[in-house]
Amino acid sequence: DTEVTQTPKHLVMGMTNKKSLKCEQHMGHRAMYWYKQKAKKPPELMFVYSYEKLSINESVPSRFSPECPNSSLLNLHLHALQPEDSALYLCASSQIGRRAKNIQYFGAGTRLSVL
Amino acid sequence: KNQVEQSPQSLIILEGKNCTLQCNYTVSPFSNLRWYKQDTGRGPVSLTIMTFSENTKSNGRYTATLDADTKQSSLHITASQLSDSASYICVVSSSGAGSYQLTFGKGTKLSVIP
Repeated sequence: DTEVTQTPKHLVMGMTNKKSLKCEQHMGHRAMYWYKQKAKKPPELMFVYSYEKLSINESVPSRFSPECPNSSLLNLHLHALQPEDSALYLCASSQIGRRAKNIQYFGAGTRLSVL
Repeated sequence: KNQVEQSPQSLIILEGKNCTLQCNYTVSPFSNLRWYKQDTGRGPVSLTIMTFSENTKSNGRYTATLDADTKQSSLHITASQLSDSASYICVVSSSGAGSYQLTFGKGTKLSVIP
């Protein structure tokens, strides 16, 4: 199984809503990532979890709240988002260690629209 | 500063023709380079991955080359198909501190027309 599964595929939410994006992998990877990708731009790293602990937060606004409940799951909780937060949100995972070469496997993404 | 530059920015070719996409990078220390295919609104899908010692790697109609001395890579697509229309992204991984991070190119948008 080399899949990273993201749900939902599409999400439309209002600025006052609370929603969550989910990501799951069963490859035994101990690093998981959230990226944000705007149209025609490369993905931008948001968060990195390593051994279920937050190791990198790229100065992401607090309206985005990540959570890693176990080694297979990664959530991104959304609250009070702005229309400019509309984007494709990608989850990725990788092994940890120099031999792993930071090979990241990406999910299909959640397309988020904030109205 | 680590950077990945891709060219051309966009490319239109006729179905059945070949094409080559370019990637130049300044990432140090270098670990590996990966080409991804990304359909609009979808996550990137890996095509090839190349480490320092590898010069060429093929995956079906896709052939990637790497010149670690000049820090250049290319992706050659043979006998293009309509389904090859997508963005092709060059991504370089560093083996240094903070090696979780990848440096992404801006991609080449390929359109294959009948």
